[in-house]
Amino acid sequence: DAGVTQSPTHLIKTRGQQVTLRCSPKSGHDTVSWYQQALGQGPQFIFQYYEEEERQRGNFPDRFSGHQFPNYSSELNVNALLLGDSALYLCASSQRDQPQHFGDGTRLSIL
Amino acid sequence: GQQVMQIPQYQHVQEGEDFTTYCNSSTTLSNIQWYKQRPGGHPVFLIQLVKSGEVKKQKRLTFQFGEAKKNSSLHITATQTTDVGTYFCAGPGNAGNMLTFGGGTRLMVKP
Repeated sequence: DAGVTQSPTHLIKTRGQQVTLRCSPKSGHDTVSWYQQALGQGPQFIFQYYEEEERQRGNFPDRFSGHQFPNYSSELNVNALLLGDSALYLCASSQRDQPQHFGDGTRLSIL
Repeated sequence: GQQVMQIPQYQHVQEGEDFTTYCNSSTTLSNIQWYKQRPGGHPVFLIQLVKSGEVKKQKRLTFQFGEAKKNSSLHITATQTTDVGTYFCAGPGNAGNMLTFGGGTRLMVKP
């Protein structure tokens, strides 16, 4: 039974570019959340998707957008990348409001 | 907005010593969750506490939820090198199960 899978593992981009990160939830999970974790800090909530709709959103600008597909997988898109967007991006899945299971993350570096 | 704070930020212990990390929320929590993140890894769910004053044990780990449901602690008895990592507490938001993470306590164990 596969857990939460994220791709790619690592990504290097330059300022101003756009990036798409992908997440497949754990089998049986219908809710996907995205978090940004800067080095040495706790994860910060970006947004959550359930039934293909954004259910909740944290304090992130509109440059951060997402999508959930009918098979529950999800994408995180970030436009106009800034140096400060360099971080580990974590996807977490759950069944409704049950505890979340995290993927290994995508480490994004902005040059 | 809701804030979750953890102390200490870092803790060095000799193998066999005990360790405790404390978590405080600015608001009353419906539940508190604890996660462990190994260096280079992703947060792994440890436990969820729901009831006021609840105490749960997992082998050498003891978790407590305060009577006012605004604070929590994690105590590890007789630390081992396998306990190395950052321990995060997290509280749910007002709706859904978005998580607000504390800054984490990084535990280092000297063999």
